[in-house]
Amino acid sequence: DAKTTQPPSMDCAEGRAANLPCNHSTISGNEYVYWYRQIHSQGPQYIIHGLKNNETNEMASLIITEDRKSSTLILPHATLRDTAVYYCIGGSGGYQKVTFGTGTKLQVIP
Amino acid sequence: DTEVTQTPKHLVMGMTNKKSLKCEQHMGHRAMYWYKQKAKKPPELMFVYSYEKLSINESVPSRFSPECPNSSLLNLHLHALQPEDSALYLCASSQLWEEYFYNEQFFGPGTRLTVL
Repeated sequence: DAKTTQPPSMDCAEGRAANLPCNHSTISGNEYVYWYRQIHSQGPQYIIHGLKNNETNEMASLIITEDRKSSTLILPHATLRDTAVYYCIGGSGGYQKVTFGTGTKLQVIP
Repeated sequence: DTEVTQTPKHLVMGMTNKKSLKCEQHMGHRAMYWYKQKAKKPPELMFVYSYEKLSINESVPSRFSPECPNSSLLNLHLHALQPEDSALYLCASSQLWEEYFYNEQFFGPGTRLTVL
């Protein structure tokens, strides 16, 4: 079965970079890696996605290993508003399948 | 308009009731999704509609019945639910996928369902 694993929780000091890892060892060759976050049981919010190359947008950076079995989401300067559960999607196991990873609860500390 | 709306926000129902959840988007997306999320767990995919046709049913019990009356609306009809069905039900929409490429999904705020 496809399985995407993440550490259950992480702390990060405000203003520092938050690095959130994800293992997606069953990812297929043409399957993208997606990251979402969810604040206070609201709907998940899209952050970033990538296939092979590193990606950056206004919210975050995404680093994908060469073998594509893992990735890291980087929030360069974490703020208190970044406190949320972060989900990785990769290795969902088939066309139109969407399997969220186990999620990391990020706590940004003042 | 990049919003997905869901109604109601909260729903309490008995095990013999019939109720419906509603989801709406006006972004022109042709893929729509229902997810179930239990407390402290990731969302779990239930159904996917592509071009108003059901394309994915993740072995969901028949007491959950989805419907996509048009490209903007998605309903989830509920009947004879169990207390363990209590959860946050999330709707999402996206552009239609290419193989293995699922576009960014836009999620609604969810309906908090309690089954007594």
